[in-house]
Amino acid sequence: KQEVTQIPAALSVPEGENLVLNCSFTDSAIYNLQWFRQDPGKGLTSLLLIQSSQREQTSGRLNASLDKSSGRSTLYIAASQPGDSATYLCAVRDAGNMLTFGGGTRLMVKP
Amino acid sequence: KAGVTQTPRYLIKTRGQQVTLSCSPISGHRSVSWYQQTPGQGLQFLFEYFSETQRNKGNFPGRFSGRQFSNSRSEMNVSTLELGDSALYLCASSPAPKGNQETQYFGPGTRLLVL
Repeated sequence: KQEVTQIPAALSVPEGENLVLNCSFTDSAIYNLQWFRQDPGKGLTSLLLIQSSQREQTSGRLNASLDKSSGRSTLYIAASQPGDSATYLCAVRDAGNMLTFGGGTRLMVKP
Repeated sequence: KAGVTQTPRYLIKTRGQQVTLSCSPISGHRSVSWYQQTPGQGLQFLFEYFSETQRNKGNFPGRFSGRQFSNSRSEMNVSTLELGDSALYLCASSPAPKGNQETQYFGPGTRLLVL
């Protein structure tokens, strides 16, 4: 059974800092890995999708990497802003099209 | 293109009642998945439908069921509600179930409170 873990569970940083969120998964037989953002009480917004054959994806200030063999992914956020404050979730998709989510990292960026 | 819509957005029920939640996927999307989110268990997969057929089911009791209509809209039903069913129920759609290049698009969720 796939298990996804995210570290740290919570993070508080001053504005402008670069930061890294970590995600690990136990079964490397995945189709892809996604990073989502969730604002309090809201649904999920997809940030980046990395296919199993890819190593990284970039979108603006966000960069996600994937090392399938070691079961790890990182989300790098450059020059953090208060508007980046949210919970960040990683999820892996397996052959059954089921997404297995990590517990999330709650990020607070202080002005 | 309109996003995934879910109705109702908020719902209060009492133990023992049943509830039906609705999800309209993005136009053209044929796969709909449902997830339950609670503070204790996080986000957990409930089931996935494609072309009116349930393709996958998570580890939830039979009180949780769903269906999909010919227009791809989906409903999920929870019977004999328990306090522990209080959660945010999220629906996600994608064009097809097996495309590894495709992301899932999530709706805003239905927040269910069971008293």
